[in-house]
Amino acid sequence: DAKTTQPNSMESNEEEPVHLPCNHSTISGTDYIHWYRQLPSQGPEYVIHGLTSNVNNRMASLAIAEDRKSSTLILHRATLRDAAVYYCILRVGGANSKLTFGKGITLSVRP
Amino acid sequence: DSGVTQTPKHLITATGQRVTLRCSPRSGDLSVYWYQQSLDQGLQFLIQYYNGEERAKGNILERFSAQQFPDLHSELNLSSLELGDSALYFCASSVAGQGIGNTIYFGEGSWLTVV
Repeated sequence: DAKTTQPNSMESNEEEPVHLPCNHSTISGTDYIHWYRQLPSQGPEYVIHGLTSNVNNRMASLAIAEDRKSSTLILHRATLRDAAVYYCILRVGGANSKLTFGKGITLSVRP
Repeated sequence: DSGVTQTPKHLITATGQRVTLRCSPRSGDLSVYWYQQSLDQGLQFLIQYYNGEERAKGNILERFSAQQFPDLHSELNLSSLELGDSALYFCASSVAGQGIGNTIYFGEGSWLTVV
């Protein structure tokens, strides 16, 4: 599976926007970019996914570089409940559509 | 609440024993995935079933086995347990096995402690 690279950790202030970067220089044309997050003591939770175009949903926005070698998850107003490990995952197409998790980025939110 | 139900939530057992973890997927979901999360290994994919058939295999030990039943619930069997098998085991489900855009929903996990 194609790999992603994320910083280990990031800090943010409550109610400020957060930009979580992800590099995926070996991405192939059929790989979807998925973001999941894991809150303490909970299972991973879907955040957003995209292929080529930027995507918005009620949780976040996903900005994808034109060459698709990087992407950024944007939380528009961080809350304390957004403190979690965020995983950027390239989901390979075809029958084996499992998710392969890396180490993720730990987001801390300061009140 | 993701709709994926896992039992038991917590389990403590001795080395050498065998345990079964159970998973009920979301209503209508045909695919079930099992993951193991330990402190040193992170989230590791174990195995995936789609409508009763094994679809993909990851880093699953030979001592571990799984199956998906006709009612789509799944069980993960862990035998000859070792201390290193202590971990959080997640089950997840999704609508179809081949839809790479479809969301995978995770349960809250089963905490296994081997003593």
